[in-house]
Amino acid sequence: AQKITQTQPGMFVQEKEAVTLDCTYDTSDPSYGLFWYKQPSSGEMIFLIYQGSYDQQNATEGRYSLNFQKARKSANLVISASQLGDSAMYFCAMREPNDYKLSFGAGTTVTVRA
Amino acid sequence: DSGVTQTPKHLITATGQRVTLRCSPRSGDLSVYWYQQSLDQGLQFLIHYYNGEERAKGNILERFSAQQFPDLHSELNLSSLELGDSALYFCASSVTNRGLEAEQFFGPGTRLTVL
Repeated sequence: AQKITQTQPGMFVQEKEAVTLDCTYDTSDPSYGLFWYKQPSSGEMIFLIYQGSYDQQNATEGRYSLNFQKARKSANLVISASQLGDSAMYFCAMREPNDYKLSFGAGTTVTVRA
Repeated sequence: DSGVTQTPKHLITATGQRVTLRCSPRSGDLSVYWYQQSLDQGLQFLIHYYNGEERAKGNILERFSAQQFPDLHSELNLSSLELGDSALYFCASSVTNRGLEAEQFFGPGTRLTVL
């Protein structure tokens, strides 16, 4: 079964606007970690933000914030004030206890328009 | 720059051949993970090593093998290559294999093309 679901294959956003990327996850464990990575066209994977399942507050890192809704099992990434350099593929991933790997979603391609 | 290095950056080879992908983790990181990114399968975990020992296997084919050496660098060996093995292969490292928040730092990847 798919552990991470990203339903938006591609999105367009105007420069300086905010964009929300959806991510839902599936786990029966109360303890888990959620990650977002950015993959520009050059191919490297860049860590953006982390949210732990027991974290009381939504994670924020600069222009990135995570809208974490535990009951809905969703962890949406919000990019504020979009820049042209934000154009990339974005991946949501989860790590569960006693599991070493990251399970990735299919990714969402974001294109920022000037 | 994540501090994880992978060589080669690009590799073009023929079906049936064998290749070795190399990864050097960040200084001090004991865990090395290998992932495969292909158009049809997405990003998939292959295998994890911690301080020289295999800790977990994912969807890794029997034709693929890996090892982590005493200096902590790792190699992924792919043999009897098929067209479907064409993909971007990532190595990632983290300081520990414990802790949900342990960030995995990804290398730039090796793009393998099998002709």
